[in-house]
Amino acid sequence: AQSVTQLGSHVSVSEGALVLLRCNYSSSVPPYLFWYVQYPNQGLQLLLKYTSAATLVKGINGFEAEFKKSETSFHLTKPSAHMSDAAEYFCAVSAYSSYKLIFGSGTRLLVRP
Amino acid sequence: DAGVIQSPRHEVTEMGQEVTLRCKPISGHDYLFWYRQTMMRGLELLIYFNNNVPIDDSGMPEDRFSAKMPNASFSTLKIQPSEPRDSAVYFCASSFGTGKGTGELFFGEGSRLTVL
Repeated sequence: AQSVTQLGSHVSVSEGALVLLRCNYSSSVPPYLFWYVQYPNQGLQLLLKYTSAATLVKGINGFEAEFKKSETSFHLTKPSAHMSDAAEYFCAVSAYSSYKLIFGSGTRLLVRP
Repeated sequence: DAGVIQSPRHEVTEMGQEVTLRCKPISGHDYLFWYRQTMMRGLELLIYFNNNVPIDDSGMPEDRFSAKMPNASFSTLKIQPSEPRDSAVYFCASSFGTGKGTGELFFGEGSRLTVL
């Protein structure tokens, strides 16, 4: 079975500061890992995905995430936060043989001017 | 492509009424998913289909919920009778899973259901 844990339901950063959103996964088989972003009153959009290729994955809007098997982590980072990054971010996991995505509880990112 | 299209965007109904939510997936996608989002429980997978066939409905909360996919371009999620605890945002998502798809889901904008 697969599951994800997102540490911190809310993260607040200043504009221009580093963004770090944490995600740890549990999977009995090699996982596929995803980060999605949700803006208010909208659906989820894919930021980036890890599918067993390069462990450092670059996504849209300057975000990237690193797959660390030894730590079972897939943390999301961005060097410099923009006001437009304020949204809710979801980490998700699926198994190679399954198309069923299991989502974490989400982290709301607040960006202070 | 127009993306995943859901209707209605907002629905307010009274307890006991039947609710039908609709979804048109992206053309060519062969997987369709229904998720429910609430503050308390986050994003929950209710059911998903492959080539119009239900594969896993273990997330459907109870018999009041049913979902169908009569063809590749249309799916419905029905709640009958509705209850206030069904109030949530219901998302439909689709993906291209044939071959070695990586499971990337494309989401609709959701249907916000309020049951009074």
